[in-house]
Amino acid sequence: EPEVTQTPSHQVTQMGQEVILRCVPISNHLYFYWYRQILGQKVEFLVSFYNNEISEKSEIFDDQFSVERPDGSNFTLKIRSTKLEDSAMYFCASSADRAVNGYTFGSGTRLTVV
Amino acid sequence: KQEVTQIPAALSVPEGENLVLNCSFTDSAIYNLQWFRQDPGKGLTSLLLIQSSQREQTSGRLNASLDKSSGRSTLYIAASQPGDSATYLCAVIGYSGGSNYKLTFGKGTLLTVNP
Repeated sequence: EPEVTQTPSHQVTQMGQEVILRCVPISNHLYFYWYRQILGQKVEFLVSFYNNEISEKSEIFDDQFSVERPDGSNFTLKIRSTKLEDSAMYFCASSADRAVNGYTFGSGTRLTVV
Repeated sequence: KQEVTQIPAALSVPEGENLVLNCSFTDSAIYNLQWFRQDPGKGLTSLLLIQSSQREQTSGRLNASLDKSSGRSTLYIAASQPGDSATYLCAVIGYSGGSNYKLTFGKGTLLTVNP
């Protein structure tokens, strides 16, 4: 069964450093998403991406965050200057259509900011 | 703003028991609903997807129902096994403006099945 692949599985970074989280969505999917889950809290929406541009972003997704699809297979989330409160599990997801067949999630990247 | 609530927050049952997990949502104008399983520190595995026009979906020992008008869904697990121990997340897919849809998650039910 097709999978969404995320790397790395765990990243530790110092506060103020830039991190890039990488995702390879399912190959024939057109819509891409980032969600995050702070320990003990709900999974929350960050951003959706379609046709090489952001289609929607949450209030969490401020100027520190950016997304990019640098080639035909990768989808990245960059956090420019990490803060302690950015520590969370970050999930990438993709879907073939906007909502009809649901979403497929990756296994996540656990980001720890120290 | 859509809010999704899951009850109970935690559930512990002996192996073999049938059980029901509950999910409620405040805005019934959803597109569909998806149940996920999350093992500790791991990703989200999709279990069942129910379209808004459907009443239920079944996969093996799992059965999910949807009552859109009352804003409720249930996940029924038959003959529970220790391997079913995980957090179960309910998420609704709703329209969020323009041509966008997004998932809104509940906090989950932590299920422990004791051998």
